[in-house]
Amino acid sequence: DVVMTQSPLFLSVALGQPASISCTSSRSLVSSDGFTYLNWFHQRPGQSPRRLIYKISNRDSGVPDRISGRGSGTDFTLRISRVEAEDVGIYYCMQGTQWPYTFGQGTKLEIK
Amino acid sequence: EVLLVESGGGLVQPGRSLRLECTASGFTFRDYVMTWFRQAPGKGLEWVGFIRGESYGGTTEYAASVRGRFTISRDDSKSVAYLQMNSLKIEDTAVYFCSRYQLLIVAGEMSMIEDFDIWGHGTMVTVSS
Repeated sequence: DVVMTQSPLFLSVALGQPASISCTSSRSLVSSDGFTYLNWFHQRPGQSPRRLIYKISNRDSGVPDRISGRGSGTDFTLRISRVEAEDVGIYYCMQGTQWPYTFGQGTKLEIK
Repeated sequence: EVLLVESGGGLVQPGRSLRLECTASGFTFRDYVMTWFRQAPGKGLEWVGFIRGESYGGTTEYAASVRGRFTISRDDSKSVAYLQMNSLKIEDTAVYFCSRYQLLIVAGEMSMIEDFDIWGHGTMVTVSS
């Protein structure tokens, strides 16, 4: 199975400051079709996960452009350029390249 | 509007069975792979399994933790995916979510689109004596 490792597991960030989450996979996520199925999700307490980013860097509809994804192969990053109150919650990276699909442990973001 | 709604959760004793449903609307259900995930209380997300569409044989794949106990099926006429859970264990206690993706063959290679873009609100399953 592909192991997904996130860091840090906890982030405390002041409003307006940047935040960055790293995600590393135990092997390359490049699929035979050439795409890299690396997703980022955001989950607030009591809610279902919401996909923010797909295929490394593509933002979903309604996701502000202060949230971005980058990376390649085995190393990926989610960046929030200016943290806002609505960004609190847990962020998960997830690989959909190979089943069993696997998630990182989650990174909890709070406002300092 | 594209929607997924899970139902069927509840309290069940260890060793018993439960069937969850994922009812879809707003998209052509038969064209999508339907996937189940779960999240134990206070824990992270775990993939449970999926069922491909009829055009890909309607075949299923499962996580090792549930293989042989859980079965995913679908009724395209009703736009519903099912998760039949047998021989339930305490460690199966979780919120169960369904999601979707579509498979396309492009230049001889299979690609995923709309992968895990929509999730239901989840249904809680508690396994306890």
